[in-house]
Formats: sequence, structure tokens, C-alpha cells
Amino acid sequence: AQSVTQLGSHVSVSEGALVLLRCNYSSSVPPYLFWYVQYPNQGLQLLLKYTSAATLVKGINGFEAEFKKSETSFHLTKPSAHMSDAAEYFCAVWNNFNKFYFGSGTKLNVKP
Amino acid sequence: DGGITQSPKYLFRKEGQNVTLSCEQNLNHDAMYWYRQDPGQGLRLIYYSQIVNDFQKGDIAEGYSVSREKKESFPLTVTSAQKNPTAFYLCATRQGGNTGELFFGEGSRLTVL
Repeated sequence: AQSVTQLGSHVSVSEGALVLLRCNYSSSVPPYLFWYVQYPNQGLQLLLKYTSAATLVKGINGFEAEFKKSETSFHLTKPSAHMSDAAEYFCAVWNNFNKFYFGSGTKLNVKP
Repeated sequence: DGGITQSPKYLFRKEGQNVTLSCEQNLNHDAMYWYRQDPGQGLRLIYYSQIVNDFQKGDIAEGYSVSREKKESFPLTVTSAQKNPTAFYLCATRQGGNTGELFFGEGSRLTVL
């Protein structure tokens, strides 16, 4: 069975600081992993996805994530936070059949 | 523009009334999904459809119904049997294959008065 755990429902960083959002997954098959961003009262937008081509995945808006099989992790990072990064972020895993499983989300607050 | 259109954006309903949320797509994707979002709970799958005239229950289908008569359309009806319908509802589509991501609409916020 697949599942996703996001550690920390709220993360706060200062503008210009490193952003680190944590995601751990469980999967009985090689996973396909995704990070999405959601701004208030909007739908989700894809940031990046891991599809086994490369363990370090670069996405939009300067975000990247590294797939670590030994740690079953897919943490999202950005070297320097910007005020516009304030949003909610969701990690998701595809079950290779017909369903995505989403984490409960992490709200990122960026302080000036 | 290619995309997914959900309507209405905001909807108010009295208890005991059914309401239908619209989802239309012009991405030519075969699969369509309905999710419910509540604060702190992520996204929970209500129904999904992989082809026209076929759909399957997700994890929280009770009190909801859907139809898929056209490839472009996947409306969701929230019935009076849904005990706690106030939520944000998201429609999504997907291309086939293991690497295909979900594409989301802008969502519909339903409030039961």
C-alpha cells in the first residue's frame, strides 16, 4: 500500500533563508512522486515530479527535490525563500494503477 | 486556452438540498477525478473515471454521485445524504501512463448553511 507523510504542518522561514519541506513515502512498488503547490482558494499546481530518470529533480520557481530510496524520502528544497513562496505544499505518490495518495500538506510562511 | 473549468467557484446550499458541481476539460485527457479538501487533511478521493460511461468510487464516495457521459465533462452531485458537505472540491484530469501528473481546476467551495 502507498502512503505519504509530511512532517510539519506549518513551516516558517525568513526571506532569503533555505526552505526545506519534508516528505516520506511508503510504497510496495517503485514510486512516482510529485510535489504540488496551492495558493489560497486555488487549485494545485505541479512543482516537480520524480519518474526514476534522475534522483535530483528540478522544478519551477527554483524548487528541487531529491529522491532517496534508502530513506524513503523526497524532500523539497529551495536555497533562498521569497515572499511569493508562501503557500501550502503537498507531496503525492502515484500507485501505478489508478490513484494518487496525498500528504496532509505543509503551509509555508515566509517572514520579511 | 487549454485547461479545466470548475463552476461555480462559490456555492451556498441549505441542508437537505442536492447540488451539482461542474467540471469541464479541453485537455483531451481520459481520466478525471474529484477530490475533497478539508483543512489539515490533504486531498481525499471521492470518485474517478478512466473512460467515458465508467467511473469508480474513491475513498469517501458516500453521499456523492457522478456521471461521465462525455469525455470533457465529469459533474459531481453532493446529495443530502452527505453528512458534512462543507468543503473545497477539486476536479483533476490526467493523461495516461505512470509518469503523468494530475492537472487541477481552480476548485469550488461549497458551504452548507
